[in-house]
Amino acid sequence: GAGVSQSPSNKVTEKGKDVELRCDPISGHTALYWYRQSLGQGLEFLIYFQGNSAPDKSGLPSDRFSAERTGGSVSTLTIQRTQQEDSAVYLCASSPGVGRAPDTQYFGPGTRLTVL
Amino acid sequence: AQSVAQPEDQVNVAEGNPLTVKCTYSVSGNPYLFWYVQYPNRGLQFLLKYITGDNLVKGSYGFEAEFNKSQTSFHLKKPSALVSDSALYFCAVRGRNTGNQFYFGTGTSLTVIP
Repeated sequence: GAGVSQSPSNKVTEKGKDVELRCDPISGHTALYWYRQSLGQGLEFLIYFQGNSAPDKSGLPSDRFSAERTGGSVSTLTIQRTQQEDSAVYLCASSPGVGRAPDTQYFGPGTRLTVL
Repeated sequence: AQSVAQPEDQVNVAEGNPLTVKCTYSVSGNPYLFWYVQYPNRGLQFLLKYITGDNLVKGSYGFEAEFNKSQTSFHLKKPSALVSDSALYFCAVRGRNTGNQFYFGTGTSLTVIP
């Protein structure tokens, strides 16, 4: 079946502009994660959605970052007033979300964001 | 503070030799531990995980890892490396009672030399 997809694959923007990054999880997966991968760094957790529960936003680096998940499926990560330090690869992952133990995460190919 | 350390940025090994990619962690309580692999121009793929039970976990492509509680380690191993194993490997940990946040290491680039 189809995996996790993300769009766009690449995004170049000017400092101060807003950007929206999209994630389509695997159908039926109730859990969805957003991560940021900067050059030479590991993955930095941003936000976690599980079903209809309130999202865990503890990883969002500032109030310029927000995310929503409509209908328990597609998710959009929005970065307002982008800064050069926001340049990174943004990864989305989904997992079945059943049970208490954390599931295997299935990652999308990522969106490479470059802020000029 | 919770964290994951992959002390080696780069590991080189000859084809056919055993390989080890190291991971140590710091997390409250017993952890959930994962290894993911990222091949060039491809997304991260799951390799294996430790949830509970046997400390030796076997995963995809002949990889295995051993949970060592006393050393807080979860090193990834393979008895005989293949050139196709060359990739970037990430260790990840999540605490059992510390929320949903996963902590990833900075990655180890493995090169298998023919």
